[in-house]
Amino acid sequence: DSGVTQTPKHLITATGQRVTLRCSPRSGDLSVYWYQQSLDQGLQFLIQYYNGEERAKGNILERFSAQQFPDLHSELNLSSLELGDSALYFCASSVDNRANYGYTFGSGTRLTVV
Amino acid sequence: EDQVTQSPEALRLQEGESSSLNCSYTVSGLRGLFWYRQDPGKGPEFLFTLYSAGEEKEKERLKATLTKKESFLHITAPKPEDSATYLCAVQAITSGTYKYIFGTGTRLKVLA
Repeated sequence: DSGVTQTPKHLITATGQRVTLRCSPRSGDLSVYWYQQSLDQGLQFLIQYYNGEERAKGNILERFSAQQFPDLHSELNLSSLELGDSALYFCASSVDNRANYGYTFGSGTRLTVV
Repeated sequence: EDQVTQSPEALRLQEGESSSLNCSYTVSGLRGLFWYRQDPGKGPEFLFTLYSAGEEKEKERLKATLTKKESFLHITAPKPEDSATYLCAVQAITSGTYKYIFGTGTRLKVLA
């Protein structure tokens, strides 16, 4: 157990729907990062939050949004889902806002859009 | 364009057969280079961070090195339990914003 908790582990939904993925960072970590991993593209950075504020943005679609709450857990909202959104979504956390000591990853949420 | 390229894509070794994985990068404002191990269906597990050319880090059978253009992950006398995908990532800063770029990984299979 890495200490980063992601729920749910698996999610199957239909095109056009909206889902919410949840992440609780490792105790003491203030930064949360979201990544998408698909077979053909590897790990793609989506977005980072540090202590409740957005810090960095990567290749995140406008249909996707995220937030970090006062208790530091984070949610990634995916809407108007398309078949191509099927992927593993990972959350990672770090103690600082630069991941100078690397990330701790959760075990991921596997999203299947049918 | 910032890019991280890992080679080979896949590697099969016999137990005890040492080898190296390569991670080459073209980024501006490099702040750090990371190596991770990922087992199937699991999240990546942090191995090393390297910050400057010439730096080396070791952990059990793994040794990571960094030059100005690339990093190597040397695996000495690998065992079957070292089978995994090894990911390289760079952290860079552009206009005050940090970004993180992962390579697509090297799938390592160690045969008993």
